[in-house]
Amino acid sequence: ETGVTQTPRHLVMGMTNKKSLKCEQHLGHNAMYWYKQSAKKPLELMFVYSLEERVENNSVPSRFSPECPNSSHLFLHLHTLQPEDSALYLCASSQDNWVEVLSRSGETQYFGPGTRLLVL
Amino acid sequence: GQQVMQIPQYQHVQEGEDFTTYCNSSTTLSNIQWYKQRPGGHPVFLIQLVKSGEVKKQKRLTFQFGEAKKNSSLHITATQTTDVGTYFCAGLPSGGSNYKLTFGKGTLLTVNP
Repeated sequence: ETGVTQTPRHLVMGMTNKKSLKCEQHLGHNAMYWYKQSAKKPLELMFVYSLEERVENNSVPSRFSPECPNSSHLFLHLHTLQPEDSALYLCASSQDNWVEVLSRSGETQYFGPGTRLLVL
Repeated sequence: GQQVMQIPQYQHVQEGEDFTTYCNSSTTLSNIQWYKQRPGGHPVFLIQLVKSGEVKKQKRLTFQFGEAKKNSSLHITATQTTDVGTYFCAGLPSGGSNYKLTFGKGTLLTVNP
């Protein structure tokens, strides 16, 4: 599946490094998401962008900084991370069809392969 | 905040046996979605249930949404080794944000050939 791509696939960084994760969707969707997946925890929603506007920010520490320059691209900028931030970071997109939004019939989310991050 | 509980956490079966995972929400849901994540992979959408009491089937998979729209189940008949993976339910709370799917912890299914 190549609808949602993420780079890099693996990343090892020190606590003082600055790095960025990139997500690109080729599905013509309007909404993009960042999730964190840690062992033995549910998928945690971090940020949601709809039409390049941030619509959800789930109390994420400021060391994570999202950027959505257009509806196809989403970045997650990382700086001064902690070892407990090591996890799989998943990007997802959804159509964000206004009929579905208004009817609350829900939005199928299409996930990218993820970036496995290790913070040393 | 809303919680989605999923049980069991792990299930190991012999190939050919049936498997069921259950999902319970602390609040009423607008809809519920099910995803499958293969080992080393990413979540892939399986199905969405919207109506109270809805039942949907995909080949050997049967999905149910409870009458009160607070619980759901996924049943696999005659499991195969290709069914291995973690099955997640994800609920969209009624009256809340349309974007905030709340995921359960998932049920990891392993199948012995």
